[in-house]
Amino acid sequence: GDSVTQMEGPVTLSEEAFLTINCTYTATGYPSLFWYVQYPGEGLQLLLKATKADDKGSNKGFEATYRKETTSFHLEKGSVQVSDSAVYFCALSNAGNMLTFGGGTRLMVKP
Amino acid sequence: GAVVSQHPSRVICKSGTSVKIECRSLDFQATTMFWYRQFPKKSLMLMATSNEGSKATYEQGVEKDKFLINHASLTLSTLTVTSAHPEDSSFYICSASVHEQFFGPGTRLTVL
Repeated sequence: GDSVTQMEGPVTLSEEAFLTINCTYTATGYPSLFWYVQYPGEGLQLLLKATKADDKGSNKGFEATYRKETTSFHLEKGSVQVSDSAVYFCALSNAGNMLTFGGGTRLMVKP
Repeated sequence: GAVVSQHPSRVICKSGTSVKIECRSLDFQATTMFWYRQFPKKSLMLMATSNEGSKATYEQGVEKDKFLINHASLTLSTLTVTSAHPEDSSFYICSASVHEQFFGPGTRLTVL
């Protein structure tokens, strides 16, 4: 079945550092790929998405490119802020809007 | 647009009681709603998928008689945790779907 693997955290960075959170997937067909963010005590918010190969999703300075050849969708941000501290989930959707989530990566940004 | 609410946001109950959690899509009609459970520092575990007017489809290992799901309309689904026990304490998140899933803010359930 479909699966998503993302790097375990926590990832601890200083403010203005470069962020990469790796995400790889296994799926049949051509899934859509997502990054969700969860702030403490809250539900999930869609951060960005890509629906086909080579698409780049971007939002709030975050980017991720759908790489079919490497089955990856790594999340990047050039300069993180303390307010970016949260848990980030990579996910894919293959059929019927069902989502398969990765395990989540906690990001901690220190001033 | 695409706002999903959950009520209550936090509930504490005694062991043996039942708790109902509501999930509403506020500005759209959702053909499908999903219920997830999230353990501390863990990912989301899909519990069940519900379509308006039909019985929910439960994931393997989820007790349908313990976690009752009712999807009464295109904007409302409820999850009732029956005869709650401390091990049912968790963060429950719903989502409502049209072309993609939109998530509610979650409900923190604590069973004493």
